[in-house]
Amino acid sequence: GQQLNQSPQSMFIQEGEDVSMNCTSSSIFNTWLWYKQEPGEGPVLLIALYKAGELTSNGRLTAQFGITRKDSFLNISASIPSDVGIYFCAGLVTYGNKLVFGAGTILRVKS
Amino acid sequence: NAGVMQNPRHLVRRRGQEARLRCSPMKGHSHVYWYRQLPEEGLKFMVYLQKENIIDESGMPKERFSAEFPKEGPSILRIQQVVRGDSAAYFCASSDRGDQPQHFGDGTRLSIL
Repeated sequence: GQQLNQSPQSMFIQEGEDVSMNCTSSSIFNTWLWYKQEPGEGPVLLIALYKAGELTSNGRLTAQFGITRKDSFLNISASIPSDVGIYFCAGLVTYGNKLVFGAGTILRVKS
Repeated sequence: NAGVMQNPRHLVRRRGQEARLRCSPMKGHSHVYWYRQLPEEGLKFMVYLQKENIIDESGMPKERFSAEFPKEGPSILRIQQVVRGDSAAYFCASSDRGDQPQHFGDGTRLSIL
């Protein structure tokens, strides 16, 4: 089945640093999504990408939809303690409308 | 609160009992999805429903699991004769169209004794 490879698995960074994480797939997706999950809660949508090559920002977050439609990255600039959580990439399968998730990137921030 | 509502938040069952998980989608959303998450893993798709119809159940185990989304009321994920391996967090998501981003509830954490 379709799989997303997300990296890195975890990051422990200093407050104020920039963060970058990415997702790759052997399959093409027409929509890429990035979610953040905090303990005991559900994933919260951060950014949605709909077109190959698209670069979209949401505050300190920037995400890009790869030209090949097989990858995406998420950058967080000037990290703060509340950025702590697990970040998931997800590809939307056009037929059936289900999401395929990466395994997540655990982000920890040292203040 | 117009978000996706799931209840209960925590559910404890003994092996062999039935578990019923409920999900009310966001207002105006008619597409509902169920996902399962094991500890330290990503979410895995189970089933996709529109009002009164199952659209895709390719991620559902063939036995013991069923889902419905009736014309009136919440969507229900039902697990019969639960086993220890059913312990997980179950998340519901909804969207207003099938090709639109899905918004998630806070999940039901199912523990099997």
